[in-house]
Amino acid sequence: ETGVTQSPTHLIKTRGQQVTLRCSSQSGHNTVSWYQQALGQGPQFIFQYYREEENGRGNFPPRFSGLQFPNYSSELNVNALELDDSALYLCASRDTSTDTQYFGPGTRLTVL
Amino acid sequence: GIQVEQSPPDLILQEGANSTLRCNFSDSVNNLQWFHQNPWGQLINLFYIPSGTKQNGRLSATTVATERYSLLYISSSQTTDSGVYFCAPIHTGNQFYFGTGTSLTVIP
Repeated sequence: ETGVTQSPTHLIKTRGQQVTLRCSSQSGHNTVSWYQQALGQGPQFIFQYYREEENGRGNFPPRFSGLQFPNYSSELNVNALELDDSALYLCASRDTSTDTQYFGPGTRLTVL
Repeated sequence: GIQVEQSPPDLILQEGANSTLRCNFSDSVNNLQWFHQNPWGQLINLFYIPSGTKQNGRLSATTVATERYSLLYISSSQTTDSGVYFCAPIHTGNQFYFGTGTSLTVIP
């Protein structure tokens, strides 16, 4: 139990649609990161938010965007879904006192 | 970014056997964590180990930062150890760089 929750657990969308995934971090963790994990691969960094501002981004197009809220929750939004967006999406919150990151259980997105 | 290579890619063990998983990385790191991903996709922290050696029960890890590698030791393996093991160093900033992992299957 990491204390990080994500919703929904599974989601099916069609190409061209938009999706919002949600994450609730542990209380006190003011840094949240999002990762995309394709089947058979390691997670890839999408972006990170610190105190509600994006402060790092991986090699993902602008149609991947996010928000972080003061209550330690965050969102990942993906516009104009493509088939290759099908993946497990993971959020991770960071405990700065121990410099460790804790991952949520993920949202499995299928784009048809 | 940095390159992360893990070996072996796949490993099958008889219950009770020991194993060593290796992680090589291409540049200096500020932090390194080992994770176990269970069959349902949950990534579970095993170790935060930017350098030195740590032990937790049947698991231990060693990172030699100057030589750019880390090792994860699993002793007396159990079927519940099955899953994918990732090492994830942080080079700069707070971004983890994941390798492709080692897929471990422990058979009874």
